[in-house]
Amino acid sequence: EADIYQTPRYLVIGTGKKITLECSQTMGHDKMYWYQQDPGMELHLIHYSYGVNSTEKGDLSSESTVSRIRTEHFPLTLESARPSHTSQYLCASSKTGDRREQYFGPGTRLTVT
Amino acid sequence: LAKTTQPISMDSYEGQEVNITCSHNNIATNDYITWYQQFPSQGPRFIIQGYKTKVTNEVASLFIPADRKSSTLSLPRVSLSDTAVYYCLVGTNFGNEKLTFGTGTRLTIIP
Repeated sequence: EADIYQTPRYLVIGTGKKITLECSQTMGHDKMYWYQQDPGMELHLIHYSYGVNSTEKGDLSSESTVSRIRTEHFPLTLESARPSHTSQYLCASSKTGDRREQYFGPGTRLTVT
Repeated sequence: LAKTTQPISMDSYEGQEVNITCSHNNIATNDYITWYQQFPSQGPRFIIQGYKTKVTNEVASLFIPADRKSSTLSLPRVSLSDTAVYYCLVGTNFGNEKLTFGTGTRLTIIP
């Protein structure tokens, strides 16, 4: 089993609030990713990081921001939540090497009212 | 990244073998083929990866013809717990590359 954790698992919050979704992994992986997925729809990469102090925007434009101060930690922040941010957010990590296997966390289901 | 095409959905009965085919006509020489499985409300999980011919693990088999323009994920004797979305991905096995999951194939196992 992969050791990648996300908190909270579920979050219901009002419009305009600032939120941070936590993601941490204990596998020492250098690469970490954030995906956004609406129910029944495909995953969209919104942020990724190749290591400490490295962050890049993904294929889907997102108003969220990320930081990578420590290898094991990759939090995602929304400064002002809106109903359009309602979605499932999945964090993943991988190790540079032969296998292109990404390990996914359980996800955070965010609802903005 | 090579674009992949796979059926949107498939149904099968319990106990049958299920084959899901993925087309990747523009696959590059250095590209590998990787399959992921995703259950509702969970993150995707790696199933199998291959480059050519046949790969088998405890969960599935992956068949890749010589021209590598398609691949088939084979699930032996499926059960209800195999109901999930299955994604086919194609890309290189090294370097800083992002994965694109696409829409996947929604497999429903019927009792």
